[in-house]
Amino acid sequence: DAGVIQSPRHEVTEMGQEVTLRCKPISGHDYLFWYRQTMMRGLELLIYFNNNVPIDDSGMPEDRFSAKMPNASFSTLKIQPSEPRDSAVYFCASSLAAAGVGETQYFGPGTRLLVL
Amino acid sequence: GENVEQHPSTLSVQEGDSAVIKCTYSDSASNYFPWYKQELGKRPQLIIDIRSNVGEKKDQRIAVTLNKTAKHFSLHITETQPEDSAVYFCAVSDKLIFGTGTRLQVFP
Repeated sequence: DAGVIQSPRHEVTEMGQEVTLRCKPISGHDYLFWYRQTMMRGLELLIYFNNNVPIDDSGMPEDRFSAKMPNASFSTLKIQPSEPRDSAVYFCASSLAAAGVGETQYFGPGTRLLVL
Repeated sequence: GENVEQHPSTLSVQEGDSAVIKCTYSDSASNYFPWYKQELGKRPQLIIDIRSNVGEKKDQRIAVTLNKTAKHFSLHITETQPEDSAVYFCAVSDKLIFGTGTRLQVFP
């Protein structure tokens, strides 16, 4: 298995532009998580899905952020409009079951976003 | 909600020495405690985890201990090597609330 796949790996955009980050979870994993990592705030959970359904989006910073999972093999995280403070590394992770029941979360390589 | 504190934020040791990183949490209902290692520019990767029904778990040079009464758990790395240098994160609960990370440097 190729593991969790994310694209793009790097994104540089200008303030106000729309940014779309993509994730393909490991086949057969029914949980998908989106995280954001910055020096100031560390690693933060933004939203997670179970069987393509958003379960908890309380970590999504504001209405400019949205996430979808149209099918079991694809998810997007969209920022519209983007702002410089959105600059961060965005990780996608997947697991067979919620980590609390003992399944490992596997992280993708991340997307490094820079908003100028 | 859950709150996680991780200490120290940085740790420097000589090769061969031991390193200990500690995390405290607030929600007594939490029952899953993984540790992740993140090398520079790389993704976090699980190195060891422990569930609330055990007090200690070992995997070669790495061990995790859990004290549910005091609500803290610790990562122990023995015989440290330069390749152990990385940022280590603890996490708590099924939503993976992460600690703030510990930057470990192992000097040869």
